[in-house]
Amino acid sequence: AQTVTQSQPEMSVQEAETVTLSCTYDTSESDYYLFWYKQPPSRQMILVIRQEAYKQQNATENRFSVNFQKAAKSFSLKISDSQLGDAAMYFCAYQIQGAQKLVFGQGTRLTINP
Amino acid sequence: DGGITQSPKYLFRKEGQNVTLSCEQNLNHDAMYWYRQDPGQGLRLIYYSQIVNDFQKGDIAEGYSVSREKKESFPLTVTSAQKNPTAFYLCASSRTSGRARETQYFGPGTRLLVL
Repeated sequence: AQTVTQSQPEMSVQEAETVTLSCTYDTSESDYYLFWYKQPPSRQMILVIRQEAYKQQNATENRFSVNFQKAAKSFSLKISDSQLGDAAMYFCAYQIQGAQKLVFGQGTRLTINP
Repeated sequence: DGGITQSPKYLFRKEGQNVTLSCEQNLNHDAMYWYRQDPGQGLRLIYYSQIVNDFQKGDIAEGYSVSREKKESFPLTVTSAQKNPTAFYLCASSRTSGRARETQYFGPGTRLLVL
């Protein structure tokens, strides 16, 4: 079965600190993409960052970076210099090349403490 | 501004009633999707459409129907056969389908509640 596991239902961090959200996934495919989406209180899903599985270099987008460990099927998200606007649900997801759907984890609620 | 719009923001359904959720995009995307989100869970795919006049069932299509008569529009009907319709519904689109490099972009969602 294709699954995504986010083992931390909730996380909290002090403003300006760094936090890492965990994600593991299970697929037998070799060609796929991994994503982190953010869902703020407005509930719109916003793409944060994505990683192509065939690329060894970890993706970065400003304060957001990933640690992609393909053999371990691990895809964690690091948020540096946390800001109040980062407070949201964060969903890890993957999509197999040729498939239609994104497979989502259950999400991690991130709270930023001022 | 290009984007995806969904309406209404909140929708109430009475017992035995069919209701339709609207999704419109002006991104010129070929592919469109409907996902359902239940509390404490991630999203699950209901239906997707790769091109006008074509659509396919996702993982949880029972009790739902769709149409794709225009490239810009992909409405979802929640029928009376859907016994547990209370959820948050998200529409998404991508340039093409089946290519994971084509990121799916999401609309703001519709919250459906049963009276």
